[in-house]
Amino acid sequence: EAQVTQNPRYLITVTGKKLTVTCSQNMNHEYMSWYRQDPGLGLRQIYYSMNVEVTDKGDVPEGYKVSRKEKRNFPLILESPSPNQTSLYFCASSWRLAGYNEQFFGPGTRLTVL
Amino acid sequence: DAKTTQPPSMDCAEGRAANLPCNHSTISGNEYVYWYRQIHSQGPQYIIHGLKNNETNEMASLIITEDRKSSTLILPHATLRDTAVYYCIVRTQGGSEKLVFGKGTKLTVNP
Repeated sequence: EAQVTQNPRYLITVTGKKLTVTCSQNMNHEYMSWYRQDPGLGLRQIYYSMNVEVTDKGDVPEGYKVSRKEKRNFPLILESPSPNQTSLYFCASSWRLAGYNEQFFGPGTRLTVL
Repeated sequence: DAKTTQPPSMDCAEGRAANLPCNHSTISGNEYVYWYRQIHSQGPQYIIHGLKNNETNEMASLIITEDRKSSTLILPHATLRDTAVYYCIVRTQGGSEKLVFGKGTKLTVNP
């Protein structure tokens, strides 16, 4: 089944404890992206990647890192989480074909930083 | 990318057509209209997109006005599972591929 998976789905952690949220897709998509969703602010893009070893900042990259060593994986790293990173996080992926832009989203990771 | 305006909420009876409007009066010639929806706190789901012609797929139909300043998403026979927030997004192809989600329309399908 074509899908984007994220792990963990729920995480409660404490300030400063490094964590990684994994994202994997099985559709051979070139493009992958991370969003966060907060009440009243909607979904905002954190980082994106056009292909392996190519990443770039989105609208709210501060406090986050990403890597794209393999096409299927795009982990989101919080080196020193803070309470303002408490949010619902979504990973998304798509092909990059002219006229085609269906983005597939993962199920979400609900992160709480105490 | 052009800005979109959608009503904050709408209701629809189960089995009836749901018509969700979107205004995008500043759309430019190379911008597409996309619709996504988000059921509760699940990941957004792509529905349909179009440039200027009307489009239909297994989920919905998209009607774009001739001047392209507005569009309507039609769910022909709404079910309770269609209750969700529907987002109308206007963007060009290529670039960062970023989707800019506004506040959307909360559609409630009532039994």
